[in-house]
Amino acid sequence: SQTIHQWPATLVQPVGSPLSLECTVEGTSNPNLYWYRQAAGRGLQLLFYSVGIGQISSEVPQNLSASRPQDRQFILSSKKLLLSDSGFYLCAWNGGTTEAFFGQGTRLTVV
Amino acid sequence: RKEVEQDPGPFNVPEGATVAFNCTYSNSASQSFFWYRQDCRKEPKLLMSVYSSGNEDGRFTAQLNRASQYISLLIRDSKLSDSATYLCVVNTYNDMRFGAGTRLTVKP
Repeated sequence: SQTIHQWPATLVQPVGSPLSLECTVEGTSNPNLYWYRQAAGRGLQLLFYSVGIGQISSEVPQNLSASRPQDRQFILSSKKLLLSDSGFYLCAWNGGTTEAFFGQGTRLTVV
Repeated sequence: RKEVEQDPGPFNVPEGATVAFNCTYSNSASQSFFWYRQDCRKEPKLLMSVYSSGNEDGRFTAQLNRASQYISLLIRDSKLSDSATYLCVVNTYNDMRFGAGTRLTVKP
Protein backbone atom coordinates (compact mmCIF):
# COMPACT_ATOMS: atom_id res chain seq x y z
CA SER A 1 0.00 0.00 0.00
CA GLN A 2 1.03 3.57 -0.54
CA THR A 3 2.26 5.73 2.31
CA ILE A 4 3.48 9.28 2.55
CA HIS A 5 5.99 10.52 5.08
CA GLN A 6 6.53 14.13 6.00
CA TRP A 7 8.90 15.51 8.58
CA PRO A 8 9.47 17.14 10.93
CA ALA A 9 6.07 17.37 12.60
CA THR A 10 6.86 20.58 14.43
CA LEU A 11 9.49 23.20 13.79
CA VAL A 12 10.38 26.50 15.43
CA GLN A 13 12.82 28.59 13.46
CA PRO A 14 14.18 32.13 13.84
CA VAL A 15 13.53 34.78 11.21
CA GLY A 16 16.23 34.70 8.57
CA SER A 17 17.11 31.05 9.04
CA PRO A 18 16.89 28.47 6.23
CA LEU A 19 14.17 25.86 5.90
CA SER A 20 14.04 22.37 4.48
CA LEU A 21 10.95 20.17 4.72
CA GLU A 22 11.02 16.75 3.19
CA CYS A 23 8.28 14.50 1.90
CA THR A 24 8.61 10.98 0.55
CA VAL A 25 6.08 8.58 -0.90
CA GLU A 26 6.26 4.80 -0.85
CA GLY A 27 4.40 2.17 -2.78
CA THR A 28 3.76 4.06 -6.00
CA SER A 29 5.74 5.43 -8.90
CA ASN A 30 5.53 8.74 -10.76
CA PRO A 31 3.09 10.34 -8.31
CA ASN A 32 1.93 13.92 -8.61
CA LEU A 33 3.28 15.73 -5.56
CA TYR A 34 1.96 18.86 -3.89
CA TRP A 35 2.94 21.32 -1.18
CA TYR A 36 0.17 23.28 0.55
CA ARG A 37 0.24 25.84 3.32
CA GLN A 38 -2.58 26.46 5.75
CA ALA A 39 -2.62 29.56 7.92
CA ALA A 40 -4.45 29.31 11.23
CA GLY A 41 -8.21 29.05 10.65
CA ARG A 42 -7.82 29.28 6.90
CA GLY A 43 -8.03 27.00 3.87
CA LEU A 44 -5.24 25.24 2.01
CA GLN A 45 -3.15 27.34 -0.33
CA LEU A 46 -1.42 25.44 -3.13
CA LEU A 47 2.26 26.40 -3.15
CA PHE A 48 3.87 23.99 -5.61
CA TYR A 49 3.03 20.89 -7.53
CA SER A 50 5.15 18.47 -9.52
CA VAL A 51 4.23 15.90 -12.14
CA GLY A 52 7.73 14.47 -12.51
CA ILE A 53 11.38 14.67 -11.49
CA GLY A 54 12.68 18.19 -11.86
CA GLN A 55 9.26 19.54 -12.89
CA ILE A 56 7.94 22.15 -10.49
CA SER A 57 4.97 24.46 -10.93
CA SER A 58 4.81 27.43 -8.61
CA GLU A 59 1.52 29.00 -7.76
CA VAL A 60 2.30 32.26 -6.02
CA PRO A 61 5.35 34.50 -5.67
CA GLN A 62 6.81 33.76 -2.31
CA ASN A 63 9.83 33.21 -0.19
CA LEU A 64 9.81 29.47 -0.80
CA SER A 65 11.07 27.05 -3.42
CA ALA A 66 10.52 23.37 -4.12
CA SER A 67 12.57 20.62 -5.67
CA ARG A 68 11.97 17.05 -6.74
CA PRO A 69 15.36 15.35 -6.91
CA GLN A 70 13.90 11.83 -7.04
CA ASP A 71 10.60 10.40 -8.24
CA ARG A 72 9.13 10.03 -4.80
CA GLN A 73 10.83 12.87 -2.95
CA PHE A 74 9.58 16.42 -2.71
CA ILE A 75 11.42 19.12 -0.77
CA LEU A 76 10.22 22.55 0.32
CA SER A 77 12.94 25.10 1.05
CA SER A 78 13.62 28.66 1.97
CA LYS A 79 16.92 30.50 2.21
CA LYS A 80 15.64 33.04 4.74
CA LEU A 81 12.41 32.59 6.64
CA LEU A 82 9.97 35.43 7.27
CA LEU A 83 7.44 35.69 10.07
CA SER A 84 4.71 35.34 7.46
CA ASP A 85 6.03 31.88 6.54
CA SER A 86 4.54 30.47 9.74
CA GLY A 87 1.80 27.95 9.12
CA PHE A 88 0.84 24.33 8.68
CA TYR A 89 2.63 22.82 5.69
CA LEU A 90 1.14 19.77 4.05
CA CYS A 91 2.61 17.46 1.45
CA ALA A 92 0.25 15.37 -0.66
CA TRP A 93 0.33 12.95 -3.57
CA ASN A 94 -2.11 11.58 -6.07
CA GLY A 95 -2.13 9.57 -9.28
CA GLY A 96 -3.38 12.32 -11.58
CA THR A 97 -7.12 12.80 -11.30
CA THR A 98 -7.52 10.55 -8.28
CA GLU A 99 -7.96 11.66 -4.69
CA ALA A 100 -4.97 13.08 -2.84
CA PHE A 101 -3.38 11.61 0.26
CA PHE A 102 -1.69 13.83 2.78
CA GLY A 103 1.28 13.58 5.05
CA GLN A 104 0.73 14.45 8.66
CA GLY A 105 1.92 18.00 8.15
CA THR A 106 4.61 20.23 9.59
CA ARG A 107 3.63 23.01 11.95
CA LEU A 108 6.18 25.78 11.36
CA THR A 109 6.51 28.72 13.70
CA VAL A 110 8.90 31.47 12.71
CA VAL A 111 9.98 33.56 15.68
CA ARG B 1 -12.37 35.16 -8.82
CA LYS B 2 -11.16 32.26 -6.75
CA GLU B 3 -10.90 28.94 -8.54
CA VAL B 4 -12.87 27.15 -5.83
CA GLU B 5 -15.35 29.00 -3.65
CA GLN B 6 -17.05 27.47 -0.68
CA ASP B 7 -19.76 28.46 1.79
CA PRO B 8 -17.94 30.48 4.45
CA GLY B 9 -19.81 29.02 7.44
CA PRO B 10 -19.52 28.39 10.28
CA PHE B 11 -22.48 26.09 10.63
CA ASN B 12 -23.71 25.38 14.16
CA VAL B 13 -26.43 22.74 14.18
CA PRO B 14 -28.09 20.48 16.76
CA GLU B 15 -27.65 16.75 16.70
CA GLY B 16 -29.96 15.11 14.20
CA ALA B 17 -30.08 18.11 11.89
CA THR B 18 -29.51 17.98 8.15
CA VAL B 19 -26.86 20.33 6.83
CA ALA B 20 -25.75 21.10 3.28
CA PHE B 21 -22.52 22.58 1.98
CA ASN B 22 -21.99 23.99 -1.50
CA CYS B 23 -18.93 24.73 -3.49
CA THR B 24 -18.50 26.35 -6.91
CA TYR B 25 -15.55 26.10 -9.28
CA SER B 26 -14.46 28.29 -12.15
CA ASN B 27 -12.69 25.92 -14.55
CA SER B 28 -15.12 24.05 -16.75
CA ALA B 29 -12.34 21.62 -17.73
CA SER B 30 -12.07 20.31 -14.16
CA GLN B 31 -11.99 16.55 -14.10
CA SER B 32 -12.53 15.19 -10.63
CA PHE B 33 -14.11 16.36 -7.42
CA PHE B 34 -13.91 15.39 -3.78
CA TRP B 35 -14.99 16.28 -0.29
CA TYR B 36 -12.43 16.12 2.49
CA ARG B 37 -12.81 16.36 6.23
CA GLN B 38 -10.21 18.08 8.39
CA ASP B 39 -10.11 17.83 12.15
CA CYS B 40 -8.40 20.51 14.19
CA ARG B 41 -4.63 20.55 13.69
CA LYS B 42 -4.73 17.42 11.52
CA GLU B 43 -4.24 16.70 7.85
CA PRO B 44 -7.31 16.55 5.57
CA LYS B 45 -8.72 13.10 4.90
CA LEU B 46 -10.89 11.98 2.04
CA LEU B 47 -14.56 11.85 2.90
CA MET B 48 -15.91 10.93 -0.51
CA SER B 49 -15.46 11.39 -4.22
CA VAL B 50 -18.17 13.23 -6.13
CA TYR B 51 -19.68 11.86 -9.33
CA SER B 52 -22.05 13.37 -11.86
CA SER B 53 -24.63 10.73 -11.05
CA GLY B 54 -24.47 11.62 -7.36
CA ASN B 55 -23.25 9.25 -4.70
CA GLU B 56 -24.21 8.33 -1.19
CA ASP B 57 -22.27 6.88 1.70
CA GLY B 58 -24.46 6.32 4.72
CA ARG B 59 -25.59 9.70 5.99
CA PHE B 60 -23.52 11.57 3.42
CA THR B 61 -24.64 12.44 -0.10
CA ALA B 62 -22.51 14.24 -2.67
CA GLN B 63 -23.71 15.79 -5.90
CA LEU B 64 -21.97 17.32 -8.90
CA ASN B 65 -23.61 19.73 -11.34
CA ARG B 66 -21.21 20.25 -14.23
CA ALA B 67 -23.51 22.65 -16.08
CA SER B 68 -23.62 25.03 -13.12
CA GLN B 69 -20.14 24.12 -11.91
CA TYR B 70 -20.94 23.34 -8.33
CA ILE B 71 -20.67 20.42 -5.97
CA SER B 72 -22.59 19.81 -2.80
CA LEU B 73 -22.43 17.70 0.33
CA LEU B 74 -25.47 16.79 2.39
CA ILE B 75 -25.14 15.37 5.88
CA ARG B 76 -28.26 13.84 7.39
CA ASP B 77 -28.87 13.05 11.04
CA SER B 78 -25.80 14.98 12.20
CA LYS B 79 -23.69 13.45 14.95
CA LEU B 80 -21.40 15.17 17.41
CA SER B 81 -18.53 13.38 15.71
CA ASP B 82 -19.33 15.17 12.43
CA SER B 83 -17.91 18.38 13.90
CA ALA B 84 -14.97 19.28 11.66
CA THR B 85 -14.04 21.46 8.72
CA TYR B 86 -15.25 20.23 5.35
CA LEU B 87 -13.21 21.06 2.27
CA CYS B 88 -14.24 20.72 -1.34
CA VAL B 89 -11.53 19.82 -3.82
CA VAL B 90 -11.43 20.28 -7.58
CA ASN B 91 -8.78 18.57 -9.70
CA THR B 92 -7.89 20.00 -13.11
CA TYR B 93 -5.06 18.34 -15.01
CA ASN B 94 -2.99 17.46 -11.94
CA ASP B 95 -3.76 20.78 -10.27
CA MET B 96 -5.68 20.13 -7.05
CA ARG B 97 -7.44 23.16 -5.59
CA PHE B 98 -9.12 23.31 -2.24
CA GLY B 99 -11.98 25.47 -1.09
CA ALA B 100 -11.38 27.52 2.04
CA GLY B 101 -13.38 25.03 4.10
CA THR B 102 -16.60 25.23 6.06
CA ARG B 103 -16.51 24.71 9.78
CA LEU B 104 -19.33 22.53 11.14
CA THR B 105 -20.12 22.28 14.83
CA VAL B 106 -22.79 19.81 15.90
CA LYS B 107 -24.14 20.52 19.37
CA PRO B 108 -26.01 18.24 21.79
